[in-house]
Amino acid sequence: AQSVSQHNHHVILSEAASLELGCNYSYGGTVNLFWYVQYPGQHLQLLLKYFSGDPLVKGIKGFEAEFIKSKFSFNLRKPSVQWSDTAEYFCAVNRYTGNQFYFGTGTSLTVIP
Amino acid sequence: DTAVSQTPKYLVTQMGNDKSIKCEQNLGHDTMYWYKQDSKKFLKIMFSYNNKELIINETVPNRFSPKSPDKAHLNLHINSLELGDSAVYFCASSPTGERGEQYFGPGTRLTVT
Repeated sequence: AQSVSQHNHHVILSEAASLELGCNYSYGGTVNLFWYVQYPGQHLQLLLKYFSGDPLVKGIKGFEAEFIKSKFSFNLRKPSVQWSDTAEYFCAVNRYTGNQFYFGTGTSLTVIP
Repeated sequence: DTAVSQTPKYLVTQMGNDKSIKCEQNLGHDTMYWYKQDSKKFLKIMFSYNNKELIINETVPNRFSPKSPDKAHLNLHINSLELGDSAVYFCASSPTGERGEQYFGPGTRLTVT
């Protein structure tokens, strides 16, 4: 079955620690890749996206993600997290031929001051 | 200006009642979606409409009926509400024919007592 996997369900970090959240997908064709963030009590907001070109994409708030096609992965990174990064993070995949988005199960990030 | 809006933001009702949630987008997008987010933050797509036509209808009880009077609106009607329907419901929209991201509404927190 086609799916998006986020292996880290709950991550707890201290401020200034580095972050890497894993995302793997199982679609064989061309895909578009996204990371969304959901702050407590809020709606999903786009952090960054990859369509084509440079596999290392930079998003808002110091986040970046790297698309590794051979590994079907699109991991999210941030070199130094802040307390305000505490949120739920969702990876999503949009198959090139359709408008359906497939979301991962989400990773809850808690940053301790 | 609000891009994707939903009303109401909170909805508390008793089992067996019928309720509706409204969604409107002013982005000129052709495709709109309804998602259900459960207490574990898992995001599940329910429906997708493209230019007022249903294109995605996941396994959802037929008590849930979407209605799209025009491409800027996608309402969700729920009959005979059950305790398990308690969740946050998100509306989203995206452009068609482009590899665009989805824009989410603020969510409607439905509590069935």
